[in-house]
Order: sequence, then C-alpha cells, then structure tokens
Amino acid sequence: DQQVKQNSPSLSVQEGRISILNCDYTNSMFDYFLWYKKYPAEGPTFLISISSIKDKNEDGRFTVFLNKSAKHLSLHIVPSQPGDSAVYFCCMDSNYQLIWGAGTKLIIKP
Amino acid sequence: NAGVTQTPKFQVLKTGQSMTLQCAQDMNHNSMYWYRQDPGMGLRLIYYSASEGTTDKGEVPNGYNVSRLNKREFSLRLESAAPSQTSVYFCASSEGIGQGALNYGYTFGSGTRLTVV
Repeated sequence: DQQVKQNSPSLSVQEGRISILNCDYTNSMFDYFLWYKKYPAEGPTFLISISSIKDKNEDGRFTVFLNKSAKHLSLHIVPSQPGDSAVYFCCMDSNYQLIWGAGTKLIIKP
Repeated sequence: NAGVTQTPKFQVLKTGQSMTLQCAQDMNHNSMYWYRQDPGMGLRLIYYSASEGTTDKGEVPNGYNVSRLNKREFSLRLESAAPSQTSVYFCASSEGIGQGALNYGYTFGSGTRLTVV
C-alpha cells in the first residue's frame, strides 16, 4: 500500500516554461515534506523542503506547495532549464524515516 | 570533494555469497543510513544509525546487517545473498535525525549497483 504516490512517471516541458511535479499522500500525520533530484548514476540531492505548518516555500526557481486538506504536494520550477532534466522524488517524514515516492522523470526540451 | 563515498560501485554475486558494502562520510555528520532502490520504486530504508554506537532497523532490514564502525563509516553486510537483493544501494548521512536532518536534507553517495545471480 503506497503511502506516497507520484502518478506521472514522466513529464516533458519546454525550456523556459513552468514545470509542475505532483505528489499525493495518504497519511495525514506526516510533518515534513521534501523534494530530491536525481541524475543517472548519481545519488539523490536535496532540493527543497516544507513543514506541515506552512503551505508554501520558495528557493530561487523552486517553489513547493502543500495542500494538507487534499494531501497534495507540488513542486514548481520556473523557468525550466535543460539542467533540470532529472528524476524528481517527493518524500515524507514518518517517525524520522523518509517515505519516498516512485519518482517523476522530468525532460526539458530545448 | 567532501561527501559520502561508497565502495564498490558495481558488484555481481552468486546466490549464497556474502559481501560488505562500505560507506564513509567526511562531513562530521552524526547520522548515517542505508537505502535500496528498485526499478519503478522510491528508496526504502534498510538500516540507520542515529549516532555512533547505535543502529536501528528501517523498513526492509531482513537479510542485512550493519556496523557503525566509527563516526565516519557505516557498512552494510549481506550474509547470504539472494536474487531479491538485486538493487541499487545508497548510503546517506545527515547532521542529525529528525527535524535537523529534514531541514537540510540528507547527503547521498553515488550508489552501489548489486546483481545477485
């Protein structure tokens, strides 16, 4: 039973446009939410996080939105750049252990 | 470069063989972790060590053992490898466990790709 779902295995976006990656979860007890980015043959790298007491957090081109009532998390990248092409994972804190989604492969087209 | 170093990068084992995956970090982090990633799935926690001298089971600990050798090193051992353990293994470290780690994220190694035939 997946607690964290990323329903889009892949997403293709034109360079310069907005990329929106989505994530749904089932456990309302999650307190902290994170996004990681992963390139092939490398480990995941931390991108941005948000606490359950907030609904938005920004860091440069990256913004994470949290809708607790809908149990929905999203990551916006504006503007999208070729170097953003990677697999993006959302993950959530469960008693200090991270529960990961399956990932969305983002492809930025020139 | 500072970070998390994993060895080996690739390994092929026969069913029943044993091996140890090595991990070392040079960031003076307190907490270290072992994850596995299978195709089409997110990472799953095998074991973690909140601080030197302690280890705890994660979501999928069966078939594995760990040793926190010192603050820098955290090894993962497969005593009798099975094909179900074919996976990519990631070691990670963090400042601490809980909110501190979640605020700043975890630092991951580049992974060990293990195939058990």
